[in-house]
Amino acid sequence: NAGVTQTPKFQVLKTGQSMTLQCAQDMNHEYMSWYRQDPGMGLRLIHYSVGAGITDQGEVPNGYNVSRSTTEDFPLRLLSAAPSQTSVYFCASSRQAFPQYFGPGTRLTVL
Amino acid sequence: DQQVKQNSPSLSVQEGRISILNCDYTNSMFDYFLWYKKYPAEGPTFLISISSIKDKNEDGRFTVFLNKSAKHLSLHIVPSQPGDSAVYFCAASAGSGAGSYQLTFGKGTKLSVIP
Repeated sequence: NAGVTQTPKFQVLKTGQSMTLQCAQDMNHEYMSWYRQDPGMGLRLIHYSVGAGITDQGEVPNGYNVSRSTTEDFPLRLLSAAPSQTSVYFCASSRQAFPQYFGPGTRLTVL
Repeated sequence: DQQVKQNSPSLSVQEGRISILNCDYTNSMFDYFLWYKKYPAEGPTFLISISSIKDKNEDGRFTVFLNKSAKHLSLHIVPSQPGDSAVYFCAASAGSGAGSYQLTFGKGTKLSVIP
């Protein structure tokens, strides 16, 4: 039982590049979500999903895209990276709506 | 405007004593409150939650108190252990109780438990 896994752990992008942050969970949870944490700040919700095929926007969705084709996977796509997207990204899953289990995070730097 | 405030960026406590972490909120629509713990280079871990219909919730060494009139909640850890050293985040949701994904987080308080 791996819990919530995220790849990559670290990533450096140039402005304008695109990439996908991967998130997977093996707990058969319906709820999954993506958060970002900026230095000295609390977590902010980017997108979330209440089940396969169902996604919705959170507090800071601009510049990001998600899809949920399976219960296990919830990738986050950066469409055209900007320096303002430099952050640590956390994926979470849970049986209930609020996040219970978080992945270890992806530290992203956009130059 | 910060709706969830953790005014103490850091707190140091002796092992075995009580740790009290505080959180204030401004949005009167918040009806569900949560605490998360985060170690360096790891994701947060859900710790304990409380609904606005209660004023106290306990789970082992952790107790959360809610004072709705003061818009204040606190997390008590008794007794504190060195393994409790981490950053603690307070979070709140409005309108859907435990069914809401729209959490507002505070900036966190770094707790250091000294052996």
